[in-house]
Amino acid sequence: EAGVAQSPRYKIIEKRQSVAFWCNPISGHATLYWYQQILGQGPKLLIQFQNNGVVDDSQLPKDRFSAERLKGVDSTLKIQPAKLEDSAVYLCASSPHLFLGTNTGELFFGEGSRLTVL
Amino acid sequence: ELKVEQNPLFLSMQEGKNYTIYCNYSTTSDRLYWYRQDPGKSLESLFVLLSNGAVKQEGRLMASLDTKARLSTLHITAAVHDLSATYFCAVDLLNSGGSNYKLTFGKGTLLTVNP
Repeated sequence: EAGVAQSPRYKIIEKRQSVAFWCNPISGHATLYWYQQILGQGPKLLIQFQNNGVVDDSQLPKDRFSAERLKGVDSTLKIQPAKLEDSAVYLCASSPHLFLGTNTGELFFGEGSRLTVL
Repeated sequence: ELKVEQNPLFLSMQEGKNYTIYCNYSTTSDRLYWYRQDPGKSLESLFVLLSNGAVKQEGRLMASLDTKARLSTLHITAAVHDLSATYFCAVDLLNSGGSNYKLTFGKGTLLTVNP
């Protein structure tokens, strides 16, 4: 079974530029998450989708971050304009439908996209 | 707001020794997870604990959950170098409307096992 795919793996940009990250979840997983992991910290949830609807985006800085999952499969996360403090690894994760009886809540993570803002 | 605290945050131990990592959380929950992260890599699920008193073991690692004390432990037995990594606990909390679970991670414990 293929895992969660993310691209690009690395990106270096200057502040005020824009960047986009792409994620393809495990086939059949209804729920998709974007997490931000700053060096030395645990992942922080940015946005959670169930199919193509947003379930939780309370911690997404909406003035500069946006995300979409138009067809309920793959997703993109965009940052525009980037700030120095956005330097982090952006992790995508997926899981089966939120309230499916067999769903234990375990998340399956991709390798992440490392962003450096200069 | 749910707070998840791990300790220690840094742990250096010798091969062959035993040690325990602790994970405390501030709000009642019966869903707790342990993940492992190697440097530059993503998070790998280790244990899923879904009830009070749950105990899971895999190799030299054993995780337990006490929901009444709001505490989970990750016990390492006879450590080996390959266990060197960062270990995260994460707690799932159902929102007030009962419509969504939200996972909150601790800061992680960086484990270094020395020969």
